[in-house]
Amino acid sequence: DTEVTQTPKHLVMGMTNKKSLKCEQHMGHRAMYWYKQKAKKPPELMFVYSYEKLSINESVPSRFSPECPNSSLLNLHLHALQPEDSALYLCASTYTGSIGGVQFFGPGTRLTVL
Amino acid sequence: SQQGEEDPQALSIQEGENATMNCSYKTSINNLQWYRQNSGRGLVHLILIRSNEREKHSGRLRVTLDTSKKSSSLLITASRAADTASYFCATDLSNDYKLSFGAGTTVTVRA
Repeated sequence: DTEVTQTPKHLVMGMTNKKSLKCEQHMGHRAMYWYKQKAKKPPELMFVYSYEKLSINESVPSRFSPECPNSSLLNLHLHALQPEDSALYLCASTYTGSIGGVQFFGPGTRLTVL
Repeated sequence: SQQGEEDPQALSIQEGENATMNCSYKTSINNLQWYRQNSGRGLVHLILIRSNEREKHSGRLRVTLDTSKKSSSLLITASRAADTASYFCATDLSNDYKLSFGAGTTVTVRA
């Protein structure tokens, strides 16, 4: 299985809502990522988990809260978001055996904040 | 942070023509990768070239790397409508599994 899955595909939420994005992979990858991508821009790194521990937080606002419950799952909890947080949220994973290795991306969750 | 700069920003070609896009970067790298993204979807890895390699081929793709100029190019030969997508170069900056993506080139292949 060489797939990264993400749910939901689309999410519309109000600024007072709490929601979660989910990402799953069964490739045995021990590094997992959350990216945010605005239209016509490259992916922007948010968080990196390595061996289920948060290793990189790119100064992301606390209204985004990542969680890695096990080596296959990655969640992104959302609370009190702003309309400017509307974007495509991408999850990715990579094999930790080599630095700078290939990242496998999920299809993304299209988030709209009203 | 974004290390790579790509040009052109956009490219429109006829089916069957070749498409070339370039990527420049600023610091030393271990490798450089190219990814494709169809509209609103996830990125798909195309090819990885290591810093000690100068050229690599995969099907209709040819990638070159010039570490002295800190630049890479991606050539897609005999383009098809299905090649319509955004293409991103990505470099690894340090030993922490991070990739830095270039701004991307949007390629439109006209039938």
